[in-house]
Amino acid sequence: QSVLTQPPSVSGAPGQRVTISCTGSSSNIGAGYNVHWYQHLPGTAPKLLIYDNNNRPSGVPDRFSGSKSGTSASLAISGLQAEDEADYYCQSYDTSLSGRFYVFGTGTTVAVL
Amino acid sequence: QITLKEPGPTLVKPTETLTLTCTFSGVSLSSSGVGVGWIRQPPGKALEWLALIYGDDVKRYRPSLRSRLTITKDTSKNQVVLTMINMDPVDTATYYCVHRRGNYYFDSWGPGSLVTVSS
Repeated sequence: QSVLTQPPSVSGAPGQRVTISCTGSSSNIGAGYNVHWYQHLPGTAPKLLIYDNNNRPSGVPDRFSGSKSGTSASLAISGLQAEDEADYYCQSYDTSLSGRFYVFGTGTTVAVL
Repeated sequence: QITLKEPGPTLVKPTETLTLTCTFSGVSLSSSGVGVGWIRQPPGKALEWLALIYGDDVKRYRPSLRSRLTITKDTSKNQVVLTMINMDPVDTATYYCVHRRGNYYFDSWGPGSLVTVSS
């Protein structure tokens, strides 16, 4: 099961700002591992949106931003556009008694009203 | 540019073994810092990391599936193979081949391969 918790859905009107939270624990985000974010449009492969907490790959609009604090992280989308309707996933790394493994969040669907 | 490609749709029966081959280009899986792995997404559910292999042949597995998974590489062919034994209908999912970069994230993804487990 996922060890990173996200809200199931968020929504906003065009032009508004929405944020998505990602809550982890002391064995992943709280242990200092970076958080990364992916955008997943139906029928396509997920796309890296933010890496290392707050960095955007080339081609990702600066409307997307990330932050991390303690055992949580957030993705913010400002100036919401219709094309931003998608599922968003956070991801980090976990080290526990079970071993070392990559973890994803539960996913958040963004709806543009 | 790194590209990864999984096979076409696959149908397997319960208890059978799934073998998926990822063919990639634009990167060589011969150095320790490079990793290629697999992530899946069951219908209507979240992404789930499965396994990863590094250039130095270190392997990582999802703890809950470790007993069922094997990941191998063929550096000369630029291929990574995932084997999952004892398939069950709950394993029905789209399986993605991914490239791991830097601080434990995945910067390149294949288009995905739908695997259906049904008798």
